[in-house]
Amino acid sequence: DSGVTQTPKHLITATGQRVTLRCSPRSGDLSVYWYQQSLDQGLQFLIQYYNGEERAKGNILERFSAQQFPDLHSELNLSSLELGDSALYFCASSVSHYGYTFGSGTRLTVV
Amino acid sequence: GENVEQHPSTLSVQEGDSAVIKCTYSDSASNYFPWYKQELGKGPQLIIDIRSNVGEKKDQRIAVTLNKTAKHFSLHITETQPEDSAVYFCAASRVTGGGNKLTFGTGTQLKVEL
Repeated sequence: DSGVTQTPKHLITATGQRVTLRCSPRSGDLSVYWYQQSLDQGLQFLIQYYNGEERAKGNILERFSAQQFPDLHSELNLSSLELGDSALYFCASSVSHYGYTFGSGTRLTVV
Repeated sequence: GENVEQHPSTLSVQEGDSAVIKCTYSDSASNYFPWYKQELGKGPQLIIDIRSNVGEKKDQRIAVTLNKTAKHFSLHITETQPEDSAVYFCAASRVTGGGNKLTFGTGTQLKVEL
């Protein structure tokens, strides 16, 4: 157990729907990062939050949004889902900007 | 933006042999280079990292070397064991006060055969 908790582990939904992925960072970690892993794109950085504030942004689609709450957990919202959004979504956390710890991921399948 | 290339994509070694995985990066301002191991059904696990002010770092059977001039870095695993079998990813980033956006390589599937 890495200490980073992601729920749900698996999610199957239909095209056009909206889902929310949740991440609880390791105790004491202020930074939360979201990554997408797919067979064709590999591991792609989506967004980083530090203590509630957005700190870095990757090629995150406009249909995707995220936030970090006062208790430091984070949610990634994916809307108007397309078949191509099917992927593993990982959350990671760190106490400094180095040495991320990844969670075990949420496998999203869009049908 | 940063681009990281990783070779080889697959690597098969005999137990006890050494394995070497190589990566190149494009952004000369990158200053942080971690390596992750991903087993099936799990998230990536940090195994070693190096910062740009260091040329080499070792942790038991694992070592990483960095050549800033050539913009490449390598992972060396000695005395490989079956449990080393996994996908290994290199990554690079320019860490600033703002954050740390890692750019990953495409991964190397390492298979350690008995």
